[in-house]
Amino acid sequence: GAGVSQSPSNKVTEKGKDVELRCDPISGHTALYWYRQSLGQGLEFLIYFQGNSAPDKSGLPSDRFSAERTGGSVSTLTIQRTQQEDSAVYLCASSFQGPGETQYFGPGTRLLVL
Amino acid sequence: KQEVTQIPAALSVPEGENLVLNCSFTDSAIYNLQWFRQDPGKGLTSLLLIQSSQREQTSGRLNASLDKSSGRSTLYIAASQPGDSATYLCAPLNSNYQLIWGAGTKLIIKP
Repeated sequence: GAGVSQSPSNKVTEKGKDVELRCDPISGHTALYWYRQSLGQGLEFLIYFQGNSAPDKSGLPSDRFSAERTGGSVSTLTIQRTQQEDSAVYLCASSFQGPGETQYFGPGTRLLVL
Repeated sequence: KQEVTQIPAALSVPEGENLVLNCSFTDSAIYNLQWFRQDPGKGLTSLLLIQSSQREQTSGRLNASLDKSSGRSTLYIAASQPGDSATYLCAPLNSNYQLIWGAGTKLIIKP
């Protein structure tokens, strides 16, 4: 596909379970970003990858959150021991070379923790 | 810490009107500023990107201006159409290369 894709589109999980969210960036884009959009909180930056490395992990809200990117393409955001406050839409974006360029967003994964 | 404010929070106007959405930010040390639209249940679509050295950018009926020193940006929409109904978000890119987001302006264009 031509755009950023994310899976699953929706995820319902029980408190305490681990979840993995996947992002496929636009082919050829070296920069990849994760954001979270919570009801009443707006959008917040989580992490940014340049290639396979993450120069900036400062936005991850706790050590339960981790992300990796392999092969300079697909990225996985993992939330361990999910809590109800983790419920949000998780958005992934990519850009051609870096943060100074237009970021193209995927449709998001809506996570609900019961 | 960068804080972004968008005014108004919501706006409802009849079709055909020209309108202005406002964005202010507290830290002028930005690399660029982007305007996005978000349709319900969907991701974000980039509308315009203004580099910090630029004063404005235009795309079709959209024009965005940037006054970095005063921490302000405006998005001007000409001849509004019902298809313009969406939430509009402004996001400056701060010195840590992070997009910092406003809460958005929810725009409704009435036919």
